[in-house]
Amino acid sequence: DIQMTQSPASLSASLGETVTIQCRASEDIYSGLAWYQQKPGKSPQLLIYGASSLQDGVPSRFSGSGSGTQYSLKISSMQTEDEGVYFCQQGLKYPLTFGSGTKLEIK
Amino acid sequence: EVQLVETGGGLVQPGNSLKLSCATSGFTFSTAWMNWIRQTPGKRLEWLAQIEDKSNNYFISYLESVKGRFTISRDDSKSSVYLQMNNLKEEDTAIYYCTSNWELSFDYWGQGVMVTVSS
Repeated sequence: DIQMTQSPASLSASLGETVTIQCRASEDIYSGLAWYQQKPGKSPQLLIYGASSLQDGVPSRFSGSGSGTQYSLKISSMQTEDEGVYFCQQGLKYPLTFGSGTKLEIK
Repeated sequence: EVQLVETGGGLVQPGNSLKLSCATSGFTFSTAWMNWIRQTPGKRLEWLAQIEDKSNNYFISYLESVKGRFTISRDDSKSSVYLQMNNLKEEDTAIYYCTSNWELSFDYWGQGVMVTVSS
């Protein structure tokens, strides 16, 4: 199975700050990488697919990049509503697997 | 508006069975690949099963650890997907989500349904 390792496990950021979350796959996933945001009591929401494509309706301050085994999610200007837990997920090989999540809070 | 609504969760004793349903609307279900994903009490997300569409002969994939115990199925006439869970174990306790596929990711999610396996 492809293991997805996220870092950091948690972080706090000030309003307007740029935030970066990392995700590393245990093997090359050829940009088959998605990012999700989950708020308390809600289901995850797709933010980024194909490593860098922004899902419809997602604010442009979110962006994704990376290739091979290394990927990142960037929030260019932290907003209050960006608090939550972020997960990466690989869609290249079965079983489809997720990272363990990064909890993002406002400082 | 896209909607996915899961039902059928609850408290069940170890060894028993449960069948989850997911009724959908607002998108073309018949051509959608559908999945069941669960979130453990520790908040870990785990993909369980996927069923493809008719053009792909309803091909099914499972997480190895649930193969033989869980069965995914769909009814295109009802725009619904199901998960039959047999021989449930305490470690199956989780929130269960149905989702649709988009470009190797999961674009639409239901609100989730809680399954608790406990004696």
